[in-house]
Amino acid sequence: QLQLQESGPGLVKPSETLSLTCTVSGDSISSSTYFWGWIRQPPGKGLEWIGSIYYSGTTYYNPSLRSRVTISVDTSKNQFSLKLSSVTAADTAFYYCARHRMAIPDYWGQGTLVTVSS
Amino acid sequence: EIVMTQSPATLSVSPGERAALSCRASQSVSSNLAWYQQKPGQAPRLLIYGASTRATGIPARFSGSGSGTEFTLTISSLQSEDFAVYYCQQYNNWPPITFGQGTRLEIK
Repeated sequence: QLQLQESGPGLVKPSETLSLTCTVSGDSISSSTYFWGWIRQPPGKGLEWIGSIYYSGTTYYNPSLRSRVTISVDTSKNQFSLKLSSVTAADTAFYYCARHRMAIPDYWGQGTLVTVSS
Repeated sequence: EIVMTQSPATLSVSPGERAALSCRASQSVSSNLAWYQQKPGQAPRLLIYGASTRATGIPARFSGSGSGTEFTLTISSLQSEDFAVYYCQQYNNWPPITFGQGTRLEIK
């Protein structure tokens, strides 16, 4: 059974870098069928796609966040990661990792709340 | 970027009745449209992709229709567990993938 689990600090200071990791179990991140990506949701608001990565390292990013986002993959650990630099309070959100079939997030992690505050 | 607009923002329906949720794209997305359900404290769950294909395990009371710029998610006979927030998402022109702002389906 496929499971995705986000991990990382729940509190990040303004101007610092947010770092999260998603650990995948029940499927290989090296599968040629899927992308793996991140989506966020400010509390009480809608969904914003951040970006996705293929096992080979090919990445796709939301242009609105491209200058601050890096998504990487570690196939040996069956994990992929998100780094978001220069964070502000506007980056406070639930962050979800998700498997993508083409550009359809079809399985999601439970999400983790990251708060940006000093 | 394709903008997705959902209506209404909130829909009040009685259990057992039918609900129809709308989603409009700012330009054609062909049939590259998905629907998600999100309950409080949970991650979104994929319901429909390809505008009308139910995802694995999704009950037949959920159906999707439309193409181009106008789409509808219909729930034929509302069960208590169906009251949630629903999002549409386009994947025709990406990046970026874009979502609608959501429709909250509440008990009348």
